[in-house]
Parts: sequence; structure tokens; C-alpha cells
Amino acid sequence: AVQLTQSPSSLSAFVGDRVTITCRASQGISTDLAWYQQKPGKTPKLLIHDASSLQSGVPSRFSGRGSGTDFTLTITSLQPEDFATYYCQQFNDYPPYTFGQGTKLEIK
Amino acid sequence: EVQLVESGGDLVQPGGSLRLSCVVSGFTISSNYMNWVRQAPGKGLEWVSTIYSSGTAYYADSVKGRFTISRDISKNTLYLQMDSLRAEDVAVYYCASALWGYFDNWGQGTLVTVSS
Repeated sequence: AVQLTQSPSSLSAFVGDRVTITCRASQGISTDLAWYQQKPGKTPKLLIHDASSLQSGVPSRFSGRGSGTDFTLTITSLQPEDFATYYCQQFNDYPPYTFGQGTKLEIK
Repeated sequence: EVQLVESGGDLVQPGGSLRLSCVVSGFTISSNYMNWVRQAPGKGLEWVSTIYSSGTAYYADSVKGRFTISRDISKNTLYLQMDSLRAEDVAVYYCASALWGYFDNWGQGTLVTVSS
């Protein structure tokens, strides 16, 4: 099974900052990667699919890059509502579909 | 408007059974991959099972042989039959749709607790 490793596991940032979260796959997965946002007690929300395609309705301050084994999610100009946990997920080699362990983004 | 509404979560004893349901509106479940994803308390997301539009189903190793995914197209409803439940199955179970392998619509989740 493809393993996804996110880094960092947690980070603190100020409103207005630019942050980048990394997701590394244990084998090449082309661009078959998605990013989700989950706020406490809420349902996960799809942000980006196919590594860099913004899901409809998601603000343009979110962007994704990468292919093969290395991927990034970048949030420019952090807003208060962006503080949440972020997960990557691969859909290249399945089953199983696998998720990263999550990155918790906290306000500083 | 797309809606996925899960139900059926409950407190059950180890070794017991539950059936989760997910009623879908806004699209026909036969045209999508339909999935169950779970999240243990304080933990990350874990894929559980998928049923493809063809009816073919796949399971995570952790639930294979104990859980069964199914659907009733006439009711536009997805199910997860959970047998031989264990303490490690405690989680919020989400129903989610997928067109191409990523999960674009999610339900609100239903909590399964396994305890004596």
C-alpha cells in the first residue's frame, strides 16, 4: 500500500502568513492526490484534486503542486477560518485509498 | 443540492453487529463510487470500503471479512453491515461519494462505539 507522510504534523502561524504543507508518497503516484480540510467536529472538505486542481468554491489562496512522490499544499494570506487539520489522500494505487496522518494548523 | 445523511451508529458490545445507512440525494449512487471512511477519536482519516458503479466492492484489510458494503439503488441508499465489532472499530463513520477516486461529497458522520 502507498504510504503518505505529511510534514510538519503541526504548525503555528499568524493570520496573513503564507504556509506550506508537504505530502510525500512512498512510491510514485503521478498527480493522483487530493487535499482535504477538516475543522474540529466537522466533516472533511475537499480542497484540491489531481494535485493542483482547485475544487469548485474553494478560495484561490489555496493551491497545490507536485507529481510523482512530492506534493505541497500552500495557503497564502492565512485567514482565521483556515485554522484546521489538513489531510492528503492518494487514489493512484488502490485499494486501499490512503490518507496522510494530517497536519494541524494552529493560530499563533 | 447534494446531501448524504448517515444513520445507524450506536453503542454495541464487542462481537456485536450494526448496519449503517447513508441516504443520498442530489445524484444517483449507481453513477459514483460510494465509500465509507472512518475516523477514530482524535485520529486521522481511514478508508474502510468502496463499492464501484459496477457493484464491485473493496475493503480495508482491517475490516475484510467482517464488514459488507452494499447499496439499494431504488432507495439511493448506501449501507455498511458491520459484524464481529471490535474496540478498534470505534470511530465516526462517514459516507462519501467519489467520481474519480477522491472524495468530493461527505455526510455528517455517525458514531459507532464498541464497549461492554
